[in-house]
Amino acid sequence: AQSVTQLGSHVSVSEGALVLLRCNYSSSVPPYLFWYVQYPNQGLQLLLKYTSAATLVKGINGFEAEFKKSETSFHLTKPSAHMSDAAEYFCAVSSNTGNQFYFGTGTSLTVIP
Amino acid sequence: ETGVTQTPRHLVMGMTNKKSLKCEQHLGHNAMYWYKQSAKKPLELMFVYNFKEQTENNSVPSRFSPECPNSSHLFLHLHTLQPEDSALYLCASSLGGANTGELFFGEGSRLTVL
Repeated sequence: AQSVTQLGSHVSVSEGALVLLRCNYSSSVPPYLFWYVQYPNQGLQLLLKYTSAATLVKGINGFEAEFKKSETSFHLTKPSAHMSDAAEYFCAVSSNTGNQFYFGTGTSLTVIP
Repeated sequence: ETGVTQTPRHLVMGMTNKKSLKCEQHLGHNAMYWYKQSAKKPLELMFVYNFKEQTENNSVPSRFSPECPNSSHLFLHLHTLQPEDSALYLCASSLGGANTGELFFGEGSRLTVL
């Protein structure tokens, strides 16, 4: 069975501050992990993905995430928040077979000027 | 341009109406999905089609009826809906088969049921 837990449904940071959004997963097979971003009234856009290559994954808009097997985590970070980063962020896991994707409940990021 | 196009973007319908949502992908993918996104609830998988065959029906009420005539098109037929069915309906596609890859989403169809 696979599942994803996102700690913190709401995160607020000041502009220029570090962004840290947490994601922990459970998977009985080597996972594929994803972070998606959703802006208001839009669909989900892929930020980055981990597919068993490098454990530190760089994505779009300056975001990156590190796969830590020992902690079953895939936290999303960005060194300096920008106002345009305000959005909903979703972590997801799949086994890359069977077309099964499992999403977390999402974290709403607010950036304070 | 996301490669996955959904129409209409907004739809208002009464409980006795019949309407359809359409999704088209231009990515050469073989798997297509319908998700329901309601306020303050997790993303809910509704249906999955892989090479035009339905491989997942996540206990969705029969008032939602999917149709996948080919790998590029996916429909969601709606009839006698309830107000609690109001939500953002997201279509997605992926490579499918033995290498699923990641999901590519459309921008969603915002449905309001009166």
